[in-house]
Order: sequence, then C-alpha cells, then structure tokens
Amino acid sequence: GAGVSQSPRYKVAKRGQDVALRCDPISGHVSLFWYQQALGQGPEFLTYFQNEAQLDKSGLPSDRFFAERPEGSVSTLKIQRTQQEDSAVYLCASSSRSGPYNEQFFGPGTRLTVL
Amino acid sequence: EDKVVQSPLSLVVHEGDTVTLNCSYEVTNFRSLLWYKQEKKAPTFLFMLTSSGIEKKSGRLSSILDKKELFSILNITATQTGDSAIYLCAVEAHNAGNNRKLIWGLGTSLAVNP
Repeated sequence: GAGVSQSPRYKVAKRGQDVALRCDPISGHVSLFWYQQALGQGPEFLTYFQNEAQLDKSGLPSDRFFAERPEGSVSTLKIQRTQQEDSAVYLCASSSRSGPYNEQFFGPGTRLTVL
Repeated sequence: EDKVVQSPLSLVVHEGDTVTLNCSYEVTNFRSLLWYKQEKKAPTFLFMLTSSGIEKKSGRLSSILDKKELFSILNITATQTGDSAIYLCAVEAHNAGNNRKLIWGLGTSLAVNP
C-alpha cells in the first residue's frame, strides 16, 4: 500500500463501551507506534512495537488500554470501558527501521469520541 | 534528506542554572515542531510549535520557533534536579504523498546536579 492506513476513521462510543482501532502499517515496516493526540496538542506516545514484540508500553494511560501486533504487521489498539477523557485522535505510525526515534510515517488517525 | 539536529548532545548544570537547548531542522513541507521530555519511560509531550516568534510557556519551560532560520529553542529557567532527562525534538512534515511523517532528533541529555 502507499501509506499507513487506519480504521475506522471516526468512532463514536458510549461511555463504558469497548472499542478496537486498527492500523495497517506500510508493508515491510518493522516498527509500529501508537500515539494519542488531543486537539491543539502534539502526539503523545502510547506504545511501540518492533515486529510482533511490544518493546515499550509505558505511555498507555491505564490498564484499560491494550495493544497487540500478533504477526508483526497489522496492529490493534483496544480500549476497554471507554471514558470521556479517552476522546482524542489515535494515530498509528510505522518506520522501516528498528528503534523508537527513526523517521515515522503516520496514518490518517482514528477520531474517537466518547459520549 | 529531511533531518533534525539537536545540540548540545549532553549538558550538565547546577540547580538554579538556566539552560537553552537547540533544535535545527531541514525538512520539506514543514507542519510543526514538537518538544518532548523523556525520563525513564515514554517521552512526554511538552510543546507544539507551528508559527514563528510565538513563545509557548509552561512553568519554567518555554520554547520558540524561527521558521526563517529553521530552528527552535527550549529554555528551562531555575533548573531543578527533576528536570534531568533527555529532551527530544521532532518535526512533523508532509511527504510526497501528502502523508504526515515525524522526524526525530537524537535528543539532548540534561543532567541537573544539586
């Protein structure tokens, strides 16, 4: 594919619902990142995968957040029992190189609104 | 090739000193410049700068962007030992396909001694 894709692009959830956000990275990219971005703010790092290994999940704000990349390609970010403060744009990025601070390419994001 | 260069790479100061960290960049299709603080875990977002000359301020930290000279500075006044961390600069840009990308600097490692 040409770039990173994410789905859904928009998600509205009622408070307490579980949501799952999908990321398809650029084919062959070994590193995958999830960020949370609030309006007018920069992306906040959530978690980082190198292939299927989750190397850093220290940015996940609570144990309601869970991310996986079981085959080292597609990744899913799951948020359980959503709260209003979870409303944000969730960005996925991928990189062809290992390591957290190489050039990363963003997907279009999923805008999550929790009512 | 797009790049972000931070200086100095490391810095040791005493509590109470003021420090200035530098970030210069060469990117096409600039979108924003971001500063992060990294301690032992994931980097924490500090500032996002999109316009020249407008200072962003949060407590003892402030930052400003110069889009003509292609750099930003992060100032920390009255430093405290808790300011010891790696400060990362990243530039967000659009690539040829109008997709967003993030280019990171190598960071400045700041140590504040009591």
